[in-house]
Amino acid sequence: GNSVTQMEGPVTLSEEAFLTINCTYTATGYPSLFWYVQYPGEGLQLLLKATKADDKGSNKGFEATYRKETTSFHLEKGSVQVSDSAVYFCALVRNTGNQFYFGTGTSLTVIP
Amino acid sequence: AAGVIQSPRHLIKEKRETATLKCYPIPRHDTVYWYQQGPGQDPQFLISFYEKMQSDKGSIPDRFSAQQFSDYHSELNMSSLELGDSALYFCASSLGTTSNTGELFFGEGSRLTVL
Repeated sequence: GNSVTQMEGPVTLSEEAFLTINCTYTATGYPSLFWYVQYPGEGLQLLLKATKADDKGSNKGFEATYRKETTSFHLEKGSVQVSDSAVYFCALVRNTGNQFYFGTGTSLTVIP
Repeated sequence: AAGVIQSPRHLIKEKRETATLKCYPIPRHDTVYWYQQGPGQDPQFLISFYEKMQSDKGSIPDRFSAQQFSDYHSELNMSSLELGDSALYFCASSLGTTSNTGELFFGEGSRLTVL
């Protein structure tokens, strides 16, 4: 089957700390991988994506590399800001379907 | 830029009542998806439509139905509401199926509370 497992939260970091949120996946075929972010009271917004192995998605200082050998797509940011406080969802979509599979979300709080 | 519009944003119903949620996709997007997100949970896929036809079905209860209209807007109808139906319901749209485009654009959600 298809599934996404991501690091449980909540995660609390001080401003300018390094962030890693782990994500691993199980999928048939060759999925595309995504990180979505959800700010309080809002819908999910695409943060970054990677559509094939070894691709690196990046946006707003966040990065994630599609690792087929470890079936992982860990999210990283070198220096977090208070404004990065949100819930982060790892997700995949198979290349033969249109159903997204989401992880359970990781809540990040950045304190000044 | 125009985004996905959902209405109503908030809805309070009692058990066994019915509710209808509406979703207006981004202009020219032809695919609509419905997701249900319970408190502290990940979004669960309910159903999707492509070019007004159901394209995929997830964990949508039999008490729920949905359709996509000729103008591509979609409605999610929920009947015999239960307390467990209280959740945030997201609509998302894309141009073509996500296997082609790989990205969903989400609305801000409709929060349903069942008392």
